[in-house]
Amino acid sequence: QKEVEQDPGPLSVPEGAIVSLNCTYSNSAFQYFMWYRQYSRKGPELLMYTYSSGNKEDGRFTAQVDKSSKYISLFIRDSQPSDSATYLCAMSARSGGYQKVTFGTGTKLQVIP
Amino acid sequence: DAGVIQSPRHEVTEMGQEVTLRCKPISGHDYLFWYRQTMMRGLELLIYFNNNVPIDDSGMPEDRFSAKMPNASFSTLKIQPSEPRDSAVYFCASSTGFPIGGYTFGSGTRLTVV
Repeated sequence: QKEVEQDPGPLSVPEGAIVSLNCTYSNSAFQYFMWYRQYSRKGPELLMYTYSSGNKEDGRFTAQVDKSSKYISLFIRDSQPSDSATYLCAMSARSGGYQKVTFGTGTKLQVIP
Repeated sequence: DAGVIQSPRHEVTEMGQEVTLRCKPISGHDYLFWYRQTMMRGLELLIYFNNNVPIDDSGMPEDRFSAKMPNASFSTLKIQPSEPRDSAVYFCASSTGFPIGGYTFGSGTRLTVV
C-alpha cells in the first residue's frame, strides 16, 4: 500500500463547476500538506500549503486537511479552462533528521469550455 | 529570477551510453533536489543537497546513478551506463527550506533511452 493515494482521473468538468480533488494517506506522522499544479510538459508548481487540520483559502482555491481521517482535499470554485492540469498532493514528515516529502501520483483535470 | 534552469530539455540516447543532466538552482536557495517522474511511480526523490552537500541519496536507484553539486549554482545527475528503464522525466527543484515542501521545480529533462 502506498503512503499517499490519489485517484489518477482523468476528471472532466464543465467550465464554472466546483472541482474536488482528494488524497488519502496512511502515515500519521505527516505534518505539512501541499498541493502542486503541473501543466503538460512543465514542472510542478506549488499551489497551496497548509500545516494544520482545517481549511485554507486562496482565491478560488481551498485546501482542506482532516488529520483524523487522514484525508486532504483541494476545492476549485468557478473552474476555468486554464485550470486544466495535473494536480499533485504532497505531504511531509520528519525522517532521519529532516523533512521528507512524499508526492501523490496526481489527478489529471480537464475543464471543458 | 529565471527560475530553476535545466538542460537539456530532451535527451535521446542509446542503451549503454552516459547521460548527464544539468541544473542551475535559484540563487539563494540552499536546498537542491533531483526527482524522477514516471506514469507508474509518480515523482520519486533521487537525492537532495543542502549547502552543496549530499544529505540523502537513498532514492538513487543503483550505482549507475551519481549526482554532484560542485558549487551553489550548479548540479549534475549522471547515469552511466544508461538503460531503457531509466526513461523518464527528471526534475531538479530548489528551495530555501521554507515552507517545508515548498519547492520550485525546473521544466525537466525528458530522457529516452533506446
